[in-house]
Amino acid sequence: AQSVTQLDSQVPVFEEAPVELRCNYSSSVSVYLFWYVQYPNQGLQLLLKYLSGSTLVKGINGFEAEFNKSQTSFHLRKPSVHISDTAEYFCAVSFNAGNMLTFGGGTRLMVKP
Amino acid sequence: EPEVTQTPSHQVTQMGQEVILRCVPISNHLYFYWYRQILGQKVEFLVSFYNNEISEKSEIFDDQFSVERPDGSNFTLKIRSTKLEDSAMYFCASRAGEWNTEAFFGQGTRLTVV
Repeated sequence: AQSVTQLDSQVPVFEEAPVELRCNYSSSVSVYLFWYVQYPNQGLQLLLKYLSGSTLVKGINGFEAEFNKSQTSFHLRKPSVHISDTAEYFCAVSFNAGNMLTFGGGTRLMVKP
Repeated sequence: EPEVTQTPSHQVTQMGQEVILRCVPISNHLYFYWYRQILGQKVEFLVSFYNNEISEKSEIFDDQFSVERPDGSNFTLKIRSTKLEDSAMYFCASRAGEWNTEAFFGQGTRLTVV
């Protein structure tokens, strides 16, 4: 079965600390991988995506993610977070270049001063 | 920068009433989607639409739901007889093409069924 799992529902972190938000997927077919961010009372904004090529992808706002095929993971990282990064982060997967996205449950990043 | 726009931002309706959620996808995009997010839960796929017909739908998208692209620019989601459990944030999304393209999401319509 194809699925997307975000292991941490909430991640509290202090400002300027590094953060990693975890995403794992289950699939026997090829995948395209995405991270979206949802700020309070707003829609979904694409942070970054992996389609092919280099497994380390860089996105907006200083975020990056690494595709690890053997571990079926696509963890999101930022070396130093800001208060403004407080938001819900969603990992999403397109299986076999399919039509739709399957989302993980989301991780609420809470940056404290 | 082109964007997907959704109206209204918030809709309150009585149980059993019909509701239409409206979306204007990015103009040169070909694939259109509706997703929903019940409060506190994950974003779920509802339906995809291409070439004026539904290309894929989830088990959530039952006979109470329908989609339409009435005039070449708007993309609507209709719920015929709303239930309390239809209360959610509904997101419209569009993609330029099938391969190697990202989905752009609208700001969402928060539907509250009372």
